[in-house]
Parts: sequence; structure tokens; C-alpha cells
Amino acid sequence: GDSVTQTEGLVTLTKGLPVMLNCTYQTTYSPFLFWYVQHLNEAPKLLLKSSTDNKRTEHQGFYATLHKSSSSFHLQKSSVQLSDSALYFCALSELGSFNKLTFGAGTRLAVCP
Amino acid sequence: GGIITQTPKFLIGQEGQKLTLKCQQNFNHDTMYWYRQDSGKGLRLIYYSITENDLQKGDLSEGYDASREKKSSFSLTVTSAQKNEMAVFLCASSISQFSNERLFFGHGTKLSVL
Repeated sequence: GDSVTQTEGLVTLTKGLPVMLNCTYQTTYSPFLFWYVQHLNEAPKLLLKSSTDNKRTEHQGFYATLHKSSSSFHLQKSSVQLSDSALYFCALSELGSFNKLTFGAGTRLAVCP
Repeated sequence: GGIITQTPKFLIGQEGQKLTLKCQQNFNHDTMYWYRQDSGKGLRLIYYSITENDLQKGDLSEGYDASREKKSSFSLTVTSAQKNEMAVFLCASSISQFSNERLFFGHGTKLSVL
């Protein structure tokens, strides 16, 4: 079946530094990838999504590129802020099928002053 | 804009107890979902509903029942709470059932079983 792997459980960074949160996936179908962000005591909300190979998608300073050749959809930001501290989930769906998302375990990003 | 409201926010139960979680959305979305969030395990789908009175099992449906009597509401029942169980249950909705639609989530119900 489908799976999503997020290798880091916790990433701790100082404000202003760049960040990359890893996401790799496995599926036998055409993938649709998402990043959801959940701030403390808040609901998860969509950050980015893509189904287009090798095209960078951006939102609120975060960006990701779907690479089907390496089955990856890493999330990046060039300069993290304190407000970026949150739990980040990578999720996978099958393009053209029912919206049944497979989520990764999540990566908690902690940004320090 | 719309909102998803989950009640209660916190739920404390006893082992073996039947517990019901409620979810209301005013987006007028067709599809609704229940996910379970465990620390370090991501979100796992319990039940979903494509439209009013429709119910479909997710990967984690054993031990749960669900009900979608109105388009705007979707309830989840834990049929027999397990001792020391602790998890957050998230309700979500989307415009349709198709794979490119974003999910809108509620804030969750945090369950603790004594």
C-alpha cells in the first residue's frame, strides 16, 4: 500500500536559518502530495500541494518540488521565523481517485530566538 | 469562510465505556472524515462519508462506529474505550471526494481513558 516517510521527528533551529523537512513516499499510482501544518492547539491546515513533476510550489515563504524520480516532496524555507514552530505533516493521495490521504508521522519544527 | 466545530474538546472516559464525538461544518461540504492522531504516527483515517447517510470505513475503523444523518454533521462513536488510551480525534471536510481537494480540519477532541 501507499506510505509516506518523514525521517525527522524533531528539528530544532535558530531563527533566520534555512530548513528542509524531508518527505519521501511510496505508491504505485500517480501521486498528489500535500504539506499540512499544525500549530500548537490549532487545527491542521494546508500549506502546499502538488501533482506536477519538477515544478516548485510556494506558499507563505515555504516551497517544495515534487520529484517523481526520487519519490520526494521536501519542504523548504530559506529563513525560519519563530512563528514557524509547528508540526508539519506530509501527505499522499492518488491522483484521480478518492481523497484518502496517507499521512507521514510528522516533523515538529522548533525555532529558537 | 466556514468552520468545523468539534465537541467536546476534551473527553475523559472509563474502560469499556461507549463514547460519542460530534462534528459540525458550515462549509456545505459533501465529504467528511474522522482521523485519529497519535503522537509519532501521523493521522489515520477511521471513517469517511461522501454525502448524507453515506458511510465508508477507513484503515482504522475497528472499534468505531460513525453516523452522518445530516450533511453538516458527522459523529464518531468509540464502541468500547480501551484502558490508558490517549489520542486526538480530528474531524475534517472537503468540497468533494476527489484527491486534489484540500481538507479543512477541526481543532480536535482529545480523548483520555482511565
